[in-house]
Amino acid sequence: AQKVTQAQTEISVVEKEDVTLDCVYETRDTTYYLFWYKQPPSGELVFLIRRNSFDEQNEISGRYSWNFQKSTSSFNFTITASQVVDSAVYFCALSEGRAGNQFYFGTGTSLTVIP
Amino acid sequence: GAGVSQTPSNKVTEKGKYVELRCDPISGHTALYWYRQSLGQGPEFLIYFQGTGAADDSGLPNDRFFAVRPEGSVSTLKIQRTERGDSAVYLCASSLGGAGGYYEQYFGPGTRLTVT
Repeated sequence: AQKVTQAQTEISVVEKEDVTLDCVYETRDTTYYLFWYKQPPSGELVFLIRRNSFDEQNEISGRYSWNFQKSTSSFNFTITASQVVDSAVYFCALSEGRAGNQFYFGTGTSLTVIP
Repeated sequence: GAGVSQTPSNKVTEKGKYVELRCDPISGHTALYWYRQSLGQGPEFLIYFQGTGAADDSGLPNDRFFAVRPEGSVSTLKIQRTERGDSAVYLCASSLGGAGGYYEQYFGPGTRLTVT
């Protein structure tokens, strides 16, 4: 079973629009960590954020914000006022505190921001 | 500071050949991971090292794949008798510690392996 589901395969928005990338996860652990990574066309995965399962506070960093809801097992990512440089593939990942250290990645959402 | 580096960036080999892929982690990072990423997919875990030892190799697809980290720093992923299905981007990542995901992983640029 897929532990991380990113149902949106591709999204296109016009520059300055807001966009939300969805992430749904599945785990039986009470301690776990959620991550978002960005993979631009150059290919290198760039770390964006980590949340632990005990901290449901939403987080904002500039134009980026994250909404963590344990009740729906979701960890969604919103980009406000999108820019062309935001065009990339975005991956959500899960690490289970009990089972070790591997990250389970979703299949990614390819975001294209049109100027 | 320097990030995770991987060499070569591209490797083309013939079916049946042996290949080695190298990863140089961020200095001071004790944990090192190998992942494989196929086109249109997310990275798929292969193996995790804590120090010199392989703490979790459950993701290695079969015994043709092997990895070492003899001095607790640089790691080499070795693939014997390569098959066309092994073609993918092989990613290396490192983190400060293993601690069940407490530390974020930093990824290298990857090695694109093509088996012809």
